[in-house]
Amino acid sequence: AQKVTQAQTEISVVEKEDVTLDCVYETRDTTYYLFWYKQPPSGELVFLIRRNSFDEQNEISGRYSWNFQKSTSSFNFTITASQVVDSAVYFCALSESAGGTSYGKLTFGQGTILTVHP
Amino acid sequence: AAGVIQSPRHLIKEKRETATLKCYPIPRHDTVYWYQQGPGQDPQFLISFYEKMQSDKGSIPDRFSAQQFSDYHSELNMSSLELGDSALYFCASSSQVGGGSTDTQYFGPGTRLTVL
Repeated sequence: AQKVTQAQTEISVVEKEDVTLDCVYETRDTTYYLFWYKQPPSGELVFLIRRNSFDEQNEISGRYSWNFQKSTSSFNFTITASQVVDSAVYFCALSESAGGTSYGKLTFGQGTILTVHP
Repeated sequence: AAGVIQSPRHLIKEKRETATLKCYPIPRHDTVYWYQQGPGQDPQFLISFYEKMQSDKGSIPDRFSAQQFSDYHSELNMSSLELGDSALYFCASSSQVGGGSTDTQYFGPGTRLTVL
């Protein structure tokens, strides 16, 4: 069975600080996919990034960066120079491949509530 | 770009009533997923459809049923509503690629169901 753990329930930072959100996953599959979603106070789930298990390259997108390490089963997310608009709940999620065709249901972590104070 | 559409956005029902939630996926997406998110919880997978056939099933109560229609929209039917069914219900859509690849799920804005 797949499992995602986000050990940090809540994080509070002051604007312009860097912050890292941790994500650890468990899966028996060799092919799997990792995601980060943002849920702002308005409630929608916004896709941020998708990574497959064969691609361990780190990725940077503006102030966002992701560090994928298969050796430690981690997929951490860093926001550089945080802003008030970054305040949200962030979910890490895992999807396994099922045989020849993946139906891709997501298993989410518990979420990390990020509050950025001005 | 077109997004996933869900209706209604808010729904208030009494216990034991029935509710129907609708989902219109992104055009050309062939897979629809339903998730339930309770207050302060992470989204939990309920059920999914690929090309109008049920493809996977999660912790969906027997009181709930769903289907995907020929135009790819999906409906989640919930009967004998209970207080514990109060939650945010998300629909997501994706385009499946054969050979074990998983495309990204894009979520709709959700339907907030309140059962009184």
